[in-house]
Amino acid sequence: AQSVTQPDIHITVSEGASLELRCNYSYGATPYLFWYVQSPGQGLQLLLKYFSGDTLVQGIKGFEAEFKRSQSSFNLRKPSVHWSDAAEYFCAVLYGNKLVFGAGTILRVKS
Amino acid sequence: EADIYQTPRYLVIGTGKKITLECSQTMGHDKMYWYQQDPGMELHLIHYSYGVNSTEKGDLSSESTVSRIRTEHFPLTLESARPSHTSQYLCASSLGERPGELFFGEGSRLTVL
Repeated sequence: AQSVTQPDIHITVSEGASLELRCNYSYGATPYLFWYVQSPGQGLQLLLKYFSGDTLVQGIKGFEAEFKRSQSSFNLRKPSVHWSDAAEYFCAVLYGNKLVFGAGTILRVKS
Repeated sequence: EADIYQTPRYLVIGTGKKITLECSQTMGHDKMYWYQQDPGMELHLIHYSYGVNSTEKGDLSSESTVSRIRTEHFPLTLESARPSHTSQYLCASSLGERPGELFFGEGSRLTVL
């Protein structure tokens, strides 16, 4: 079955600390992978995407993600978190013509 | 800023009422989508459209209906609202040649009493 797993429901990090949000997917072929962010009361915004090529992709707001085929993972990272990064983050995989989302990880940033 | 708009943002309504959630985009995108979002759950695709007069049901069964008479407009209708329809509904659009790159509206939060 097509699925996207985000193992962490909540993560709390201190401002200025590094961040890694985990994402695993089930798919036989090379997937199209995405990370979206949703701030409170807002819709989702695309952070970055991976289609092919370099497995480390850069996105907006200083985020990056690394595709690891052997682990079926596409983890999101940021070297230094800012208080404005507090939001919910969704990993997504394009299965055919349909975008399937994970359940999301809520990021809390403490000062 | 994405140019996709949803109204109303919040709606509280009684059981049995008919409601329409509006969604409009000014980007000329051919594809449009409705997702249902509940806390702690995946976003579930309930309807999508690949162009005018094209609508399809998504993966999550929904009693709602949609129409796509104009490229920019993709309203969702519930003929008779029930408490089980209480949820957040997100509208999105994309260009056909950029798969997976969706632009989302801010959502319509529906509460049915």
